[in-house]
Amino acid sequence: AQRVTQPEKLLSVFKGAPVELKCNYSYSGSPELFWYVQYSRQRLQLLLRHISRESIKGFTADLNKGETSFHLKKPFAQEEDSAMYYCAPLRDKLSFGAGTTVTVRA
Amino acid sequence: GAVVSQHPSRVICKSGTSVKIECRSLDFQATTMFWYRQFPKQSLMLMATSNEGSKATYEQGVEKDKFLINHASLTLSTLTVTSAHPEDSSFYICSARDPGRGNTEAFFGQGTRLTVV
Repeated sequence: AQRVTQPEKLLSVFKGAPVELKCNYSYSGSPELFWYVQYSRQRLQLLLRHISRESIKGFTADLNKGETSFHLKKPFAQEEDSAMYYCAPLRDKLSFGAGTTVTVRA
Repeated sequence: GAVVSQHPSRVICKSGTSVKIECRSLDFQATTMFWYRQFPKQSLMLMATSNEGSKATYEQGVEKDKFLINHASLTLSTLTVTSAHPEDSSFYICSARDPGRGNTEAFFGQGTRLTVV
């Protein structure tokens, strides 16, 4: 069965500290992988995708096919990073992990 | 980015009535749109894929007679919750991909909060 797991429901860090959000997936074949973010009172939006290998708002995500992981990282968290983050594999359909709520404290 | 608009953003209806939610792609054409449901503090669950000019594809466990989907044009899909009951109260979100932007990034509507009383 296809599955995406985000083990941390809540993550709280201090401003300036590193933050890592874990995502593991179990899919047949190679899905395209995304991280979507939802800021307070805003709609869901794309943060980054593995295929472009870009850094958005200081976030990067490394695809590890051996471990089937796609963890999201930022070396220095900012207060404006407080949001809900979803790992989302795409293979025919876009599915979502359970989500991780990140709170960055001053 | 591409814009997807949902209407209404909030609706309260009486038990037994039907409610229609609209999803529009404002600056692109979408042959396919997706409808999700989100329970409080939970993830988004795909309900169905809306296909322009043909029948929607429903996910397992989603009643197609309960959640009617119509995708009559390349910019509009509607979800009708028929004979709504309190357990249908939820946050419904639509999304679409823009073929002109590689057709992989999903753009989301702002969601519709349905409360059935």
